[in-house]
Formats: sequence, C-alpha cells, structure tokens
Amino acid sequence: AQSVTQPDIHITVSEGASLELRCNYSYGATPYLFWYVQSPGQGLQLLLKYFSGDTLVQGIKGFEAEFKRSQSSFNLRKPSVHWSDAAEYFCAVGADNDMRFGAGTRLTVKP
Amino acid sequence: GAGVSQSPSNKVTEKGKDVELRCDPISGHTALYWYRQSLGQGLEFLIYFQGNSAPDKSGLPSDRFSAERTGGSVSTLTIQRTQQEDSAVYLCASSFGGTHEEYFGPGTRLTVL
Repeated sequence: AQSVTQPDIHITVSEGASLELRCNYSYGATPYLFWYVQSPGQGLQLLLKYFSGDTLVQGIKGFEAEFKRSQSSFNLRKPSVHWSDAAEYFCAVGADNDMRFGAGTRLTVKP
Repeated sequence: GAGVSQSPSNKVTEKGKDVELRCDPISGHTALYWYRQSLGQGLEFLIYFQGNSAPDKSGLPSDRFSAERTGGSVSTLTIQRTQQEDSAVYLCASSFGGTHEEYFGPGTRLTVL
C-alpha cells in the first residue's frame, strides 16, 4: 500500500518569504498526487493535483508543486507567503481504491 | 452547485451510545470517502465507496464502525457503543469516478463524554 511522509510537522516563515513544504511518497507506480489546505475551523480545500504530464503543476492561491519521480517527492512551493496562508497543509497519494494522507505540516506566518 | 454536506456539524454523546453521521456527496460523484481526523493528527482513512462496487472497509478501526451508502448517493457512518477515543472530526469527501480528486465536507465533530 502507498504511504505519504511529510517530514516537517511545523514550519514558520516570515510574510513575503518563500515557502517549500516537503512530501515524499511510497508507491510502486506513479500515483495521483494532491496537496490540500485546511484553514482553522475550515474544511479541506484542494490546492493542486498531479495526474500525469508536466511535472510542474500550478494550483490556486499562487501555489505550485513539482513531481520528481527519481526522488518520490511532490513538494509544494510558493514564492511569497501571505499571512492568510497560515494553515495546515496535507499531501495525499491516491491510487486504485485507496487514498492516503500525510500527517500534515502546520504553517505559521510571522508578520 | 452545492458541495458536500454533512450532518450534524457537532455531536456530543455519552460513552456507550450509538451515533449516526450523515454525508450528502456532490451530485454525480460516484466515489465517497469517510475519514477521521483526531486532534492534531492527519487524516485516517476509514471507508471508500465507488459506484455499486463493494466498499473498501479496510480502514475501519473496529467492528463498532459501519457505513452504508444508499442509492449510490447519501452515506451514513454508524458508530456503535461509542468510546471516548472515538472523539474526532469525521470528514466525508466525494469525487467523480476514480480521479481521487476529492471534495470535502465541513465535517462532523464528535465528542464522546
């Protein structure tokens, strides 16, 4: 079965700084890859997804992620973080009848 | 169009009671998922329905948990003889076909006293 690892439990960045959230997965083939965001008191919202094709995918709110097969990674990036980006971010892997989520990375944005 | 809805939004129950949580998926979505999110934890997969196929129940933590999906639409997650460790937010999601592009409901916060 596939698994997802988000190595960073908590990250703090200054507003305006760049951001990279790490995600590594384990699966025998290329799965579907997702990033979701959960703001405090809110439901999960899909930021972006990778199914196939171009390995750099653009999402909402200025986020992007790059699929690197050789590293089994799908890291999320944003060039300039806004205070409203403070939230919990989840990487997810989907394949066949299964969907697995990472434990999440909590992002704090300093003014 | 309407998103995924869940009811109730909050449920407080006593240990040992049964609870039912409801999920209304997005119309036309054939796949439906239930997850559990405990405080400070990630999402724990519980069960997956796809069309008329037998559900994938591999994530259900015990036989106290069951779920059904009627008419390929609404789903009910039932927890029998609730325990305090069942306290969590229960999230439902739906997707179209096998895309796994899931749309989440707001969740039901279950508190077992």
